[in-house]
Amino acid sequence: DIVMTQSPDSLAVSLGERATITCRSSQSVLYSSNNKNYLAWYQQKPGQPPKLLISWASTRESGVPDRFSGSGSGTDFTLTISSLQAEDVAVYYCQQYYSTPPTFGQGTKVEIK
Amino acid sequence: EVQLVESGGGLVQPGGSLRLSCAASGFTFSTNWMHWVRQGPGKGLVWVSRIKSDGSSTTYADSVRGRFTISTDNAKNTLYLQMNSLRAEDTAVYYCARGGGDGYNKPLDYWGQGTLVTVSS
Repeated sequence: DIVMTQSPDSLAVSLGERATITCRSSQSVLYSSNNKNYLAWYQQKPGQPPKLLISWASTRESGVPDRFSGSGSGTDFTLTISSLQAEDVAVYYCQQYYSTPPTFGQGTKVEIK
Repeated sequence: EVQLVESGGGLVQPGGSLRLSCAASGFTFSTNWMHWVRQGPGKGLVWVSRIKSDGSSTTYADSVRGRFTISTDNAKNTLYLQMNSLRAEDTAVYYCARGGGDGYNKPLDYWGQGTLVTVSS
């Protein structure tokens, strides 16, 4: 199984400041035949199901604010919230869907400082 | 609007069985892969199983293979998870989720609200 490791486990950021979460996979999730990274980011607010934010490592889903961005390739990925808002308080998960079983990172809790 | 509504959770004794349902609407059910993902109390997300909506292909996590069975009823636009020989470690909120697009290796673009399964004597 591909192991997904996120860092940090939690972070506290001031309103309007940048939040950065990293995700590392134990093997590459870049599919060479189409040059796509099979990596997604989800946001889970308390008491709610996860919500897909970003797919293919950097493609923002419809309706997701542009302060959220994803980058990286191969085994190293980053989710950036450029200017943290109060409504962004949540746990964020990365997930690889390159191989079976699909696996998630352990989650990163983002709070307001 | 895509909607996924789970039901069937509850309290069950170890060794017991439970069947979860997920009613889907707002999309052509037969064209997507469907998944079950669970989340233990205070824990992270763990993928459980997936099925091609026509039922022709299924895959399971090692932890549930042989005990859980995923299935669909396309006439009812409903996904199921039959859970047998339940263990305490199966206690979790179970989410159904839709695979986004053709093929099994896609992100999960819509999720239900989840149904809680508690395995305890």
